[in-house]
Amino acid sequence: DVKVTQSSRYLVKRTGEKVFLECVQDMDHENMFWYRQDPGLGLRLIYFSYDVKMKEKGDIPEGYSVSREKKERFSLILESASTNQTSMYLCASRYRGRIPEAFFGQGTRLTVV
Amino acid sequence: AQKITQTQPGMFVQEKEAVTLDCTYDTSDQSYGLFWYKQPSSGEMIFLIYQGSYDEQNATEGRYSLNFQKARKSANLVISASQLGDSAMYFCAMSPDQTGANNLFFGTGTRLTVIP
Repeated sequence: DVKVTQSSRYLVKRTGEKVFLECVQDMDHENMFWYRQDPGLGLRLIYFSYDVKMKEKGDIPEGYSVSREKKERFSLILESASTNQTSMYLCASRYRGRIPEAFFGQGTRLTVV
Repeated sequence: AQKITQTQPGMFVQEKEAVTLDCTYDTSDQSYGLFWYKQPSSGEMIFLIYQGSYDEQNATEGRYSLNFQKARKSANLVISASQLGDSAMYFCAMSPDQTGANNLFFGTGTRLTVIP
């Protein structure tokens, strides 16, 4: 069965902390994505990666960075967490196929206090 | 730039009735894909149905069908015979390709509530 796993379901961090959100997929997908979900705004793309060590900025990259050292793992880093980064974070991966849907992790609800 | 619009923040439907969730999109690409996802209160995103821009027939998956009107740039989701378990957020999404190489752009979602 296809699987995208995010390291934490819930996280509480303090303002100014460096935060790592990890995502692992077991499907050998080239493309991986980090989205942020806020009520009334839908899902907004933060960063995506189309290969190891390759990344592209999405719509809201400010305050975030990413790392992809291995194909199966895509990390989202909040360099200095702020309260306006309190949100639900969703990781996804995508393959090239006849029905190229994205597969999502279970989400990480991050609260910055 | 791609844009997805879902104009219904919330919808109610009686159990066993059909419901249509609206989605319009804006793109200048000729090749693109349209998706619908369901997000229950537990938070996971569940893929429901896909339509490619070159597909001539509307996609169907069980009780879900996608009413694709290319000239109007609309991709409405129709759920037939609604069940209580259909209560969830529903997101329309588009990708500027049919190969999986690109990002998915999402709408703001519609919260569907099924009434017993």
